[in-house]
Amino acid sequence: KAGVTQTPRYLIKTRGQQVTLSCSPISGHRSVSWYQQTPGQGLQFLFEYFSETQRNKGNFPGRFSGRQFSNSRSEMNVSTLELGDSALYLCASSFGAGGNYEQYFGPGTRLTVT
Amino acid sequence: GQSLEQPSEVTAVEGAIVQINCTYQTSGFYGLSWYQQHDGGAPTFLSYNALDGLEETGRFSSFLSRSDSYGYLLLQELQMKDSASYFCAVVYGQNFVFGPGTRLSVLP
Repeated sequence: KAGVTQTPRYLIKTRGQQVTLSCSPISGHRSVSWYQQTPGQGLQFLFEYFSETQRNKGNFPGRFSGRQFSNSRSEMNVSTLELGDSALYLCASSFGAGGNYEQYFGPGTRLTVT
Repeated sequence: GQSLEQPSEVTAVEGAIVQINCTYQTSGFYGLSWYQQHDGGAPTFLSYNALDGLEETGRFSSFLSRSDSYGYLLLQELQMKDSASYFCAVVYGQNFVFGPGTRLSVLP
């Protein structure tokens, strides 16, 4: 069974630009969660989508948004990029929603904002 | 608040046993998970405790005590490949909360 895939793997953007990251979950998984990982803040939850609906949301500004498609693939968008948005963005898929289910993480997208 | 505490670093030698503690200040959560992350890699699931007690999976065991708001990950027969960061995580309300991570260094 193929794992979670994320594209692109690396990205360099300029302040003020916007970016869209993509995540394809494991086949059969309907939940996709997004996380931001930085050395200073650790792993922080962004949001979770289940069956095309945002189920949970972390404490991030409205510049961070996402969506999920009918095939469970998910995209995350960050608008008006700031230097502090430089981070590793991880998505994780699970069979069900919520923390009761094991999450399978993708390799991440390394975003650098200059 | 919703916060988890873990030791920042732990060092041990090959073959030894190490315990990584996690204390949390949440209520109404569903359980405690543990993840391993090697440098440059993605987190991988290790264990999940929904109920109090010990869960054993090979060399790794995890323990939860809801009454003490405390859990730990026990790694036995340490190997060099166990050098990694270990995160505890809980679901609190609408959010997933990860601990700050414990960096384990296994020495020969």
